[in-house]
Amino acid sequence: GPKVLQIPSHQIIDMGQMVTLNCDPVSNHLYFYWYKQILGQQMEFLVNFYNGKVMEKSKLFKDQFSVERPDGSYFTLKIQPTALEDSAVYFCASSSTGNTGQLYFGEGSKLTVL
Amino acid sequence: AQSVTQPDARVTVSEGASLQLRCKYSYSGTPYLFWYVQYPRQGLQLLLKYYSGDPVVQGVNGFEAEFIKSNSSFHLRKASVHWSDSAVYFCAVRFPNTNKVVFGTGTRLQVLP
Repeated sequence: GPKVLQIPSHQIIDMGQMVTLNCDPVSNHLYFYWYKQILGQQMEFLVNFYNGKVMEKSKLFKDQFSVERPDGSYFTLKIQPTALEDSAVYFCASSSTGNTGQLYFGEGSKLTVL
Repeated sequence: AQSVTQPDARVTVSEGASLQLRCKYSYSGTPYLFWYVQYPRQGLQLLLKYYSGDPVVQGVNGFEAEFIKSNSSFHLRKASVHWSDSAVYFCAVRFPNTNKVVFGTGTRLQVLP
């Protein structure tokens, strides 16, 4: 089936550093999402993105977070600077339509902030 | 407020037993409803979805769910579980006035051999 690829699968960085998480969404999908999961618990919505713009974001999407998809390449989540509480698994998802399409998820990028 | 509730954090059943995982949402209209499964160290995989029509929807691996509008519920069921069904199950809802998908807190299913 359709695949969402995430790079890296695991990253360890020091607090205060910058990190970029990369997502290669399903081809021809137009809507992109980031979710945050801590300790295998609830999937918390961070942000969704369409047509080059952030459509919605949650309170978890702090000012240090940013997303972009330059020229149809990777959909990225950047955190600058990182904080200890940013340690989590970040899941990228994509869908073909806005309000009825199912989300296809990547396998996650585990971020550990020391 | 629009929300999704999975009241059972953990469910343990014996192999071969029937299963029901509960999900309720808070919304006056009819949302789009999903069940996802997450195996250890993996992403989420869709089990089934409901948009409209027959309130009982069939999914993969023998799972089904029933949308009951009067109860604002979308419980997941399986007639006979297998040990490989052990995983975390998430109910998810897309409310029509928004493009985001809201997840419940998940139910960790353990199937005993």
